[in-house]
This record gives sequence, structure tokens and C-alpha cells, in this order.
Amino acid sequence: AQSVTQPDIHITVSEGASLELRCNYSYGATPYLFWYVQSPGQGLQLLLKYFSGDTLVQGIKGFEAEFKRSQSSFNLRKPSVHWSDAAEYFCAVGGNFGNEKLTFGTGTRLTIIP
Amino acid sequence: KAGVTQTPRYLIKTRGQQVTLSCSPISGHRSVSWYQQTPGQGLQFLFEYFSETQRNKGNFPGRFSGRQFSNSRSEMNVSTLELGDSALYLCASSSLPRISETQYFGPGTRLLVL
Repeated sequence: AQSVTQPDIHITVSEGASLELRCNYSYGATPYLFWYVQSPGQGLQLLLKYFSGDTLVQGIKGFEAEFKRSQSSFNLRKPSVHWSDAAEYFCAVGGNFGNEKLTFGTGTRLTIIP
Repeated sequence: KAGVTQTPRYLIKTRGQQVTLSCSPISGHRSVSWYQQTPGQGLQFLFEYFSETQRNKGNFPGRFSGRQFSNSRSEMNVSTLELGDSALYLCASSSLPRISETQYFGPGTRLLVL
């Protein structure tokens, strides 16, 4: 069964500092990996996704993520956070050919301090 | 293009009642998925519909059901409500039921069961 672990429940960073959110997955084949962001009172918005090819993927809002098969990880990074990045971030894994539902991690809540 | 809309946005019910939630996908999208989000369990997949057919189902009891209409609008129904059904119910639409297709989420329906 596929699963996702986000080890950090809550992270606080200063505005302008760099950010890395951790995500580890479990999946038997090549996974489809996603990062979503959820602002308070809103639905989820896709930041980026990885299916194959270049292991470093660029997303919206200046985010990027790196797929590391050897570590079963797909960490999200941003070189300099803005106050508007405060939100909850979800990593998700999905399969293909009949097992295409998304399995989400429990989320990491990001707080930005001035 | 209008986004995914969900109605109602907020709902209060009592134990034992039933509830129906509605989701209108983005125009042209034919795949609709439903998720339950709770603080304890996180985001969990309920079911997915495409062309009025249920394609995937998560691990939820039979009290949770759904359907999709010919115009791709979807409803989910929860019968005999329990306190633990209190959650944010999110609907997502995509053009096709493929993991490679971006899912666009609605703002959710927040259900409180008293």
C-alpha cells in the first residue's frame, strides 16, 4: 500500500529565510509525487508534481522539489520565504493503471515570523 | 473559467441525520473525486467518479455514497451521521481520471455533526 510521511507537523521560519519541508513515501513502483498547499478556509492548490525525468522539479510561487529514489524522499524547498507562504503543505503520492487515487501525508503547518 | 464550486460551504447536522453535499467541477472536467479532511486522520480519499461511474473507492463505510450526473456534477451522501463524520469535505475535478491530470480542489464543505 502506498503511504506518505511528513515528519514535521509544524515549522516556523523567518521571512526571507530558506525553507525545506520533508516528505518520505512508500510505493512499490515509480511513484507520482505531488505537493499541495492549503491556505486557511481554502481548498488545496497544486504547487508541483513529479512523474519522471529530471528529479528536480520547479513549481509555482518559487517552490521546487527534488525526487530522491534512494531515500524515498520528495522534499519541498524555497530559497526565500514570504509572509504569504504561511499555510499548510501536503505531500501526496499516487500510482497508475487502476491505483490512481492520491494518498496524502498529514501535512506540515508553516508559520512565518517577521 | 470558474473553479470548482461546492455547496453548501457550512452545514450543521445532528447524529442520525443524513446529508447531501454537492460539487460542480470546472467546465469540461469529467472526473470528480471526494476527500474527507479531519485533524486526526488528515486527507482521506472517499471516491472518484468519471462519466457517471464510480472508478475508485476509499476505505469508508457504506454510509458514504456518491453519484455523478450527466453534466459531471457530483453529490455525496452520508447517511446516519456520526460525530466522527465532522470534517471538511473536499471535492476535486480533473479533465480525465488519470493521475497525471492536475486535480483542482474546491473550497470544501465544512460539516459539523452534533
